[in-house]
Amino acid sequence: DGGITQSPKYLFRKEGQNVTLSCEQNLNHDAMYWYRQDPGQGLRLIYYSQIVNDFQKGDIAEGYSVSREKKESFPLTVTSAQKNPTAFYLCASSTPGIRKNEQFFGPGTRLTVL
Amino acid sequence: SQQGEEDPQALSIQEGENATMNCSYKTSINNLQWYRQNSGRGLVHLILIRSNEREKHSGRLRVTLDTSKKSSSLLITASRAADTASYFCATDAGDYKLSFGAGTTVTVRA
Repeated sequence: DGGITQSPKYLFRKEGQNVTLSCEQNLNHDAMYWYRQDPGQGLRLIYYSQIVNDFQKGDIAEGYSVSREKKESFPLTVTSAQKNPTAFYLCASSTPGIRKNEQFFGPGTRLTVL
Repeated sequence: SQQGEEDPQALSIQEGENATMNCSYKTSINNLQWYRQNSGRGLVHLILIRSNEREKHSGRLRVTLDTSKKSSSLLITASRAADTASYFCATDAGDYKLSFGAGTTVTVRA
């Protein structure tokens, strides 16, 4: 089955710890994205990557870091510099072009800071 | 930045009724997309309408786009309990990014 997976589904972090959220896709998509969703709100873009070994900051990149060493993988690290990291994190991928940047989403990771 | 704004924030309807929600945006777009999110899940793409299109249908969904007013509407006809979800509009300005609104939460009562 083609799709996009995220792990873990739930993640608990102590204050001061860095944590890494996994995102993998086997859709052969070039672009990948990380969003943050807070309760009752829409999605805010953290980072995005159009091709391997390249990525750009989104609207709320402070306190986060990413890497894109493989086309299939786009892990997100939530660092201790992120002051309010408790949120629902969504990863997406797309191939801009004919499909006009329709994005496919993973099931999400819910991060809670204890 | 969140360009799209949905209206209303929440909508409660009886099964079989139609549900209409609106989206307004601020800048020029290549296309506008609608997504559905069931509680605690990822988003699912519903329909895309290009800037040169005025109306589009997909099953029980009807989307309109008025670029002069910078607004779009999503109509779900003959609603079902399974349509209970949050619905988001997202604008594509052609820069590899989508800007999402805050969403409309739809509850379909049996």
